[in-house]
Amino acid sequence: QKEVEQNSGPLSVPEGAIASLNCTYSDRGSQSFFWYRQYSGKSPELIMFIYSNGDKEDGRFTAQLNKASQYVSLLIRDSQPSDSATYLCAVNSRNSGAGSYQLTFGKGTKLSVIP
Amino acid sequence: GAVVSQHPSRVICKSGTSVKIECRSLDFQATTMFWYRQFPKQSLMLMATSNEGSKATYEQGVEKDKFLINHASLTLSTLTVTSAHPEDSSFYICSARGLGNSPLHFGNGTRLTVT
Repeated sequence: QKEVEQNSGPLSVPEGAIASLNCTYSDRGSQSFFWYRQYSGKSPELIMFIYSNGDKEDGRFTAQLNKASQYVSLLIRDSQPSDSATYLCAVNSRNSGAGSYQLTFGKGTKLSVIP
Repeated sequence: GAVVSQHPSRVICKSGTSVKIECRSLDFQATTMFWYRQFPKQSLMLMATSNEGSKATYEQGVEKDKFLINHASLTLSTLTVTSAHPEDSSFYICSARGLGNSPLHFGNGTRLTVT
C-alpha cells in the first residue's frame, strides 16, 4: 500500500512569513511529486511539480525533494491571506508489473495566513 | 496549460433520478481519467479510474452499477449517478492526465444535491 502522509494542520502563519508544508511517502520507487492547492468548495489546482532531488523554485513557491529521506516539501515565501487553502501532496509511482502509474494523494494540510 | 472541463458545475435532482457528469480534456489526450468524490471538510476520495476503451476500475466500496463510467474517447469520460439518493449529495471532481509521469489536472467539479 503506497502511502503519502501530511500533517492535517491547521498551520497558521502571519502574513509575510514563510509557510513550510511537509509530506512523506512510503514508496521509495516514487518518481514524480506534485503539490496542489485546494480552496474551500473548489477543485484542486496544480501549483508545483518536481522530479529530481533538490529545490525547484517558481515565484514565491519552492518545492524541495529528498528521495533518500522520502520527503517532499513546499515553501511559500511572503505568505498572503490568499494563500490560505488546503495543500495536497501527490506522489506518482509505477505499479509493479502493470506498466501504469499510480498517483497517491495525502490528506492535505490546511494553511491559514493571518493578516 | 492543460485544461480539463467538467460539466455541469452544479446540479440539483430528485431522489431516484439519474445524473450524468461530463469530463473533457480540452488540449491533450487523456489516456486515463479519474473520478473523485469529496464530502464537506473531508479529503478527496478516489472513486474509480477510467481508461479509454476499457472498463473502469472501481475503488473498494464504490458500487459500479450505481456509478456508471464511460470513457469512449481520449478526451471524454462520463460519470452517471444512477437512482440518486440524498446520501449521494457531494462534490464530484474529475481529473485527467496524459502519458506516464505527467501531472494530473482537475476539472472544476460538480456539486450534486439530491433532494
